[in-house]
Amino acid sequence: QVQLQQSGPGLVKPSQTLSLTCAISGDSVSSNSAAWTWIRQSPSRGLEWLGRAYFRSKWYNDYAISVKGRITINPDTSKNHFSLQLNSVTPEDTAVYYCARDRSIPVAGSYYFGMDVWGQGTTVTVSS
Amino acid sequence: DIQMTQSPSSLSASVRDRVTITCRASQNIISYLNWFQQKPGKAPKLLIYAASSLQSGVPSRFSGSGSGTDFTLTISSLQPEDFATYYCQQSYSTPLTFGQGTKLEIK
Repeated sequence: QVQLQQSGPGLVKPSQTLSLTCAISGDSVSSNSAAWTWIRQSPSRGLEWLGRAYFRSKWYNDYAISVKGRITINPDTSKNHFSLQLNSVTPEDTAVYYCARDRSIPVAGSYYFGMDVWGQGTTVTVSS
Repeated sequence: DIQMTQSPSSLSASVRDRVTITCRASQNIISYLNWFQQKPGKAPKLLIYAASSLQSGVPSRFSGSGSGTDFTLTISSLQPEDFATYYCQQSYSTPLTFGQGTKLEIK
């Protein structure tokens, strides 16, 4: 059974860096059939995909334009986890942050992605 | 970005009712459409992927249909545990995007 366990601070000061980690059990961060993803949720923005890291012979990243330039998602193969760093945070970055596995699923000869395993969520408040 | 629009935004229904939620994409996403259920204080739960495939462990009263730009989630006979917020999400292209949600409440 795959599980994701999030850790990191719930309070970050404006202009500082938000750092969260997602520990994976039951799967590998180097899996060729998954993308390791961060999503956040706030009343103003709803569910917002932030980005992902995935391994397909080499490592790739995709990021949302809304946070591009401020975000880094890094896999750590030695610890089997992945992390989120969001720089220069403002109160608008206040949200519940989730990590998720976006798994590639074969359906009728094609492959589709579905976020089938989620972390427990971390409420992050940006405030001085 | 692909915009996902759900309707209705909220819905009141009774146990054993049949309920349908609609999701429209701003461009053709073929069948790259997922549905999630979220309860207060919990992470979203994947119900349906590839527009109509039931995720393992999800009751068969949930079903999805559609392709292209128009999709539906149907709950054939509402159970008390189904009262929650439902989201669609496109997996066709990045940035992956979600609908704004449909809150299903008890009548």
